Amino acid sequence: DAGVTQSPTHLIKTRGQQVTLRCSPISGHKSVSWYQQVLGQGPQFIFQYYEKEERGRGNFPDRFSARQFPNYSSELNVNALLLGDSALYLCASSLEPGQQETQYFGPGTRLLVL
Amino acid sequence: QKEVEQDPGPLSVPEGAIVSLNCTYSNSAFQYFMWYRQYSRKGPELLMYTYSSGNKEDGRFTAQVDKSSKYISLFIRDSQPSDSATYLCAMRSGGSNYKLTFGKGTLLTVNP
Repeated sequence: DAGVTQSPTHLIKTRGQQVTLRCSPISGHKSVSWYQQVLGQGPQFIFQYYEKEERGRGNFPDRFSARQFPNYSSELNVNALLLGDSALYLCASSLEPGQQETQYFGPGTRLLVL
Repeated sequence: QKEVEQDPGPLSVPEGAIVSLNCTYSNSAFQYFMWYRQYSRKGPELLMYTYSSGNKEDGRFTAQVDKSSKYISLFIRDSQPSDSATYLCAMRSGGSNYKLTFGKGTLLTVNP
């Protein structure tokens, strides 16, 4: 079975631009979470979506937004890019939020903001 | 104080050594504990998943959780060069709090 897929794999943008990152969860998984991983740090939680609704949000500015589609895929949007947004953006999928939830990560999208 | 502390290393060991990786945490609400392995320029891969205190073994890997000390460990026996990666501890509380809180990761190199 295919794991979590993300696109694009790499992206270069300039300050002030907007970017959209895409994620397809593991087949049968209904929940998607987004994380930001800056070089040398552990991933930081941005959002979780389940059944198209936002179920959790981390300490990120409103420039970050996301949505989930009926097929459970998801998009992460970042507006007005800053140099500090350069990072690996990870998508994780899980069956559904709950006590036994286990999150499986995709390969990530590496974003460089110049 | 960060919620999760993890020594970033780097840690270098010879092939066949026993490796011990550790994390401490401050949030007593954490109930679920995970170890992920991340190869360079790849996404994290789930290695071990543990609920509450105790030990869990899977092949060469053993995860230990001591909630009274707020301390978790991952042991790797008979380490192999293919184990060279960054190891991330992660944890979450129960109920409706879904986010994983990660340590910084420990970079491990196993030398042939």
